[in-house]
Amino acid sequence: GAVVSQHPSRVICKSGTSVKIECRSLDFQATTMFWYRQFPKQSLMLMATSNEGSKATYEQGVEKDKFLINHASLTLSTLTVTSAHPEDSSFYICSASVGTALDEQYFGPGTRLTVT
Amino acid sequence: QKEVEQNSGPLSVPEGAIASLNCTYSDRGSQSFFWYRQYSGKSPELIMSIYSNGDKEDGRFTAQLNKASQYVSLLIRDSQPSDSATYLCAVNWPGTSYDKVIFGPGTSLSVIP
Repeated sequence: GAVVSQHPSRVICKSGTSVKIECRSLDFQATTMFWYRQFPKQSLMLMATSNEGSKATYEQGVEKDKFLINHASLTLSTLTVTSAHPEDSSFYICSASVGTALDEQYFGPGTRLTVT
Repeated sequence: QKEVEQNSGPLSVPEGAIASLNCTYSDRGSQSFFWYRQYSGKSPELIMSIYSNGDKEDGRFTAQLNKASQYVSLLIRDSQPSDSATYLCAVNWPGTSYDKVIFGPGTSLSVIP
């Protein structure tokens, strides 16, 4: 149980284009979903927390107009990187929880984004 | 600024030994604590969760929590080469408007056959 999928697993896009990443909880309903970014040899950086049906809460320094998050249902959240630039190249990972950030999180396999 | 610190690595232990991973956190209001394992190029996977002071054992893994000292640790007994990974400590606490989580920088563990 507690399986989270992410799609795509890898994506290469040109600078200036937008990329959408999907995160799905496959066998449970996720009250809360989280989006992280991880640069090589660094730890996870929380970008935003999203609850189904409400606006995402972004961490300080994360541009909400650049990283659009939509938590459309209890099993689906999407992250859209708009007008991507090479510095946005990173490993993006989503996680889901049946409760809040106080509860266990189950991670998706991650999406490797490369912006050329 | 809430912080989570972990012992700097890389940590190397021989196969069969006990690996000890440490984590300290700054906020006394922290309520839940997690250890995740992350293999290179992969996403984290949950190993243990602990919510109250004391020890919690699950197979070869034991998590220890001491809220007074703001310290949580993970012991891995009978370490195996497959345990070689980065171990992330995550500390969660209730916020005024929403609950928060912060991950430590991770400790890289290498188990030598």
